Amino acid sequence: QQQVKQSPQSLIVQKGGISIINCAYENTAFDYFPWYQQFPGKGPALLIAIRPDVSEKKEGRFTISFNKSAKQFSLHIMDSQPGDSATYFCAASRYTGRRALTFGSGTRLQVQP
Amino acid sequence: DGGITQSPKYLFRKEGQNVTLSCEQNLNHDAMYWYRQDPGQGLRLIYYSQIVNDFQKGDIAEGYSVSREKKESFPLTVTSAQKNPTAFYLCASSRTPEGNQPQHFGDGTRLSIL
Repeated sequence: QQQVKQSPQSLIVQKGGISIINCAYENTAFDYFPWYQQFPGKGPALLIAIRPDVSEKKEGRFTISFNKSAKQFSLHIMDSQPGDSATYFCAASRYTGRRALTFGSGTRLQVQP
Repeated sequence: DGGITQSPKYLFRKEGQNVTLSCEQNLNHDAMYWYRQDPGQGLRLIYYSQIVNDFQKGDIAEGYSVSREKKESFPLTVTSAQKNPTAFYLCASSRTPEGNQPQHFGDGTRLSIL
């Protein structure tokens, strides 16, 4: 019940294209869903996050779509740029009880110029 | 600048040796976390601490130990009982322990076996 499943494992997108990464969770007690971006040799950095009371959140070129009934959420990167090439992790946590993040396995995104 | 400092950046362990990874934060955050990152497996929680002098086991605590004697420091010891310690170790902190608080990460320590 703690798992967060992420796909695809790797993704190659042309510059200007749309990158889409999907995650699914099992624990219905999760109520916070962040996405992290990690560059090689660095720690992850928070990109964008959503609560389950909204179905979509947009910040610049990054959008989270959330489907509570399907227990799925996804990250869309519009107008993908070579500088977006990184590993992306979805995560989930609970507000109460065990509140530490549970991470997906990561997606390595490569944006080709 | 406020942030999380992990040291050393690279660390080598001999058989039967305990090693300690340092994590210091100057963000005045209450909660701190240790994760292990292996290729293709994402980040897995080792230990976390919601407040000074308190810590909880995560999903893969066996072979590891921690202490939280000061708010700004959360060192991780990889003991000889951890048979496969080669990994990238990440420390994080959040302002409060609530699950909707952003976690801020250090730049990690890469541990290898000699």
